Amino acid sequence: AQSVAQPEDQVNVAEGNPLTVKCTYSVSGNPYLFWYVQYPNRGLQFLLKYITGDNLVKGSYGFEAEFNKSQTSFHLKKPSALVSDSALYFCGLGNKLIFGSGTRLLVRP
Amino acid sequence: GAGVSQSPSNKVTEKGKDVELRCDPISGHTALYWYRQSLGQGLEFLIYFQGNSAPDKSGLPSDRFSAERTGGSVSTLTIQRTQQEDSAVYLCASSLESQAGKNIQYFGAGTRLSVL
Repeated sequence: AQSVAQPEDQVNVAEGNPLTVKCTYSVSGNPYLFWYVQYPNRGLQFLLKYITGDNLVKGSYGFEAEFNKSQTSFHLKKPSALVSDSALYFCGLGNKLIFGSGTRLLVRP
Repeated sequence: GAGVSQSPSNKVTEKGKDVELRCDPISGHTALYWYRQSLGQGLEFLIYFQGNSAPDKSGLPSDRFSAERTGGSVSTLTIQRTQQEDSAVYLCASSLESQAGKNIQYFGAGTRLSVL
């Protein structure tokens, strides 16, 4: 079955520390993977995508994600978290218009 | 230019009533998507339109749900005989031609539907 999983409902980090939001996927063929962020009472905003090419993808607001085919993962990362990064993050599989359940990121001052 | 616009932003209705939710996509975007976001849940795909092709309705949860896209632009999602479990935020997105899911989707702010 084709699916996306975000195993953590919430991730808590201190400002200035690195953050990781996890995503794993299952798909037949090559995956098209996306990360979106949702701030309160707003629609989703695009952060970055992997279609093909380099496994390390750089996106908006200093975020990056690493595509790992052997582990079927596409984890979102940022070297130094900001309080303003606190939001709901969704991983998406473009091929099937499937999104994960979302991970709430809380960055404490 | 303007982003994806959805109206109304909030809708409160009584159980059993019909509701219509509207989406104005970004001009020139040929693909349009509807999703549902329930409290504590992720995004659930409902339906998508790509140009003049037949829409992909595979995500619609029941025959009470339907959607139209007139003239390749504005879309209306209709829910008939609303039930309390229909309460959710309904999100619309648009993108340049779908290209098998490669393109970035631009989302509206959503319509929050509350069924009493």
